[in-house]
Amino acid sequence: EADIYQTPRYLVIGTGKKITLECSQTMGHDKMYWYQQDPGMELHLIHYSYGVNSTEKGDLSSESTVSRIRTEHFPLTLESARPSHTSQYLCASTPGPSNTGELFFGEGSRLTVL
Amino acid sequence: GENVEQHPSTLSVQEGDSAVIKCTYSDSASNYFPWYKQELGKRPQLIIDIRSNVGEKKDQRIAVTLNKTAKHFSLHITETQPEDSAVYFCAAREGSNYKLTFGKGTLLTVNP
Repeated sequence: EADIYQTPRYLVIGTGKKITLECSQTMGHDKMYWYQQDPGMELHLIHYSYGVNSTEKGDLSSESTVSRIRTEHFPLTLESARPSHTSQYLCASTPGPSNTGELFFGEGSRLTVL
Repeated sequence: GENVEQHPSTLSVQEGDSAVIKCTYSDSASNYFPWYKQELGKRPQLIIDIRSNVGEKKDQRIAVTLNKTAKHFSLHITETQPEDSAVYFCAAREGSNYKLTFGKGTLLTVNP
């Protein structure tokens, strides 16, 4: 089924650990995004990509990094996790220029750093 | 860049009443305005959207209005039901830029 998948859904780790949040979509979308959602609900764009080998930082500064080696895959990495990184991370994608503009979200990865 | 303000942050209504959520945007180049609904523990999902060449759009019990001159748009939900309880986000996208700027969200509670 065409969808956008995130793993892990929940992760609890200790300070200083390196983690990678995986995001894959099977819809053939070229544009992908990472949002950080805090407990107060607000969605903050932290990274986006308009295609393979294209990545940009979003509106909210983040210590995470991303890569886009394949169209369908957009992983997010934290080299050294800290308690301030505790949050929900939502991956999203949208198709090309002739689309409705709808953003499709994954189910999210909830990260807790102790 | 674009800035989207959303009000109110929380809204509580009785089942059957109407609910209205309002948003303003700052960039006159923005031309696409979607609304997303996020139920507790779920992912945000598009419920309705409107483009800048349209003033109003309806889909059953939900409608969106857009005033380009005033740079504001609103979501209207009629005959609210308990399953309408969720967080609602407005958003704006400028021109050919494919980044959406979201409002801070409105927690809607529909009391039976």
